[in-house]
Amino acid sequence: QKEVEQDPGPLSVPEGAIVSLNCTYSNSAFQYFMWYRQYSRKGPELLMYTYSSGNKEDGRFTAQVDKSSKYISLFIRDSQPSDSATYLCAMSPWGTGGFKTIFGAGTRLFVKA
Amino acid sequence: DSGVTQTPKHLITATGQRVTLRCSPRSGDLSVYWYQQSLDQGLQFLIQYYNGEERAKGNILERFSAQQFPDLHSELNLSSLELGDSALYFCASSVVAGDSYEQYFGPGTRLTVT
Repeated sequence: QKEVEQDPGPLSVPEGAIVSLNCTYSNSAFQYFMWYRQYSRKGPELLMYTYSSGNKEDGRFTAQVDKSSKYISLFIRDSQPSDSATYLCAMSPWGTGGFKTIFGAGTRLFVKA
Repeated sequence: DSGVTQTPKHLITATGQRVTLRCSPRSGDLSVYWYQQSLDQGLQFLIQYYNGEERAKGNILERFSAQQFPDLHSELNLSSLELGDSALYFCASSVVAGDSYEQYFGPGTRLTVT
C-alpha cells in the first residue's frame, strides 16, 4: 500500500462546477499537507498549504484536512477551463527541520467550456 | 516565471555517464529542493538543503548527490546513469514567513539516458 493514495482520474467537469479532489494517507506522522497544480510541460506550483487539521480557503480554492480519517480534500468552486491541469496532493512529517514530502499520483482534471 | 532557474533544459547522455544539473533559487530563498518526475514513479522528493546544509532526504539513490553552495545555488550530480534515470528533474526554492509557506518550482531539466 502506498503512503499516499490519489485517484489519477481523469476527472471531467463542465465549466462552473464544483470540483472535489481527494487523497488518503496512512502515515500518522504527516503534519503538513499541500496541493500542487501542474500544467502540461510545466513545473508544479504550490496552491494550498495546511498545517495539521482544519480548513483553509484561498479564493475559489478550499483545502480540508481530516487527520482522524487520514483524508484530505481540495475543492474548486466555479471551475474554469483554465483550471484544467493535474492536481497533486502532498504531505510531509516534521522532525528533521525539513519537508520530506510524499506526493500522490496526481489527478488529471478537465474543465469543459 | 517563478524566479527559479535551472540549467540545462534538456540533457541527453549515455548509460554509465555522469551529469550535473544546476539550480539557482529565487533571490533570498534559503531552501532548495530537488525532485524527480517520471511517468512510472510520479513526482518524488529527492533532497532539501537550507543555507548550505542538508535538511531532509527522500528517495535519493546513492549514485545521486547534491550540494548547496555559499551563493545558495545548488547542483544535483547523477552518476553511473541508467535508462531508468530518464526523467524530469525539478528544483524548487521556498521561504517561510510566520504561518506562510511559499514554494516555487523551476522549469525542470529533462534528462534522457540512452
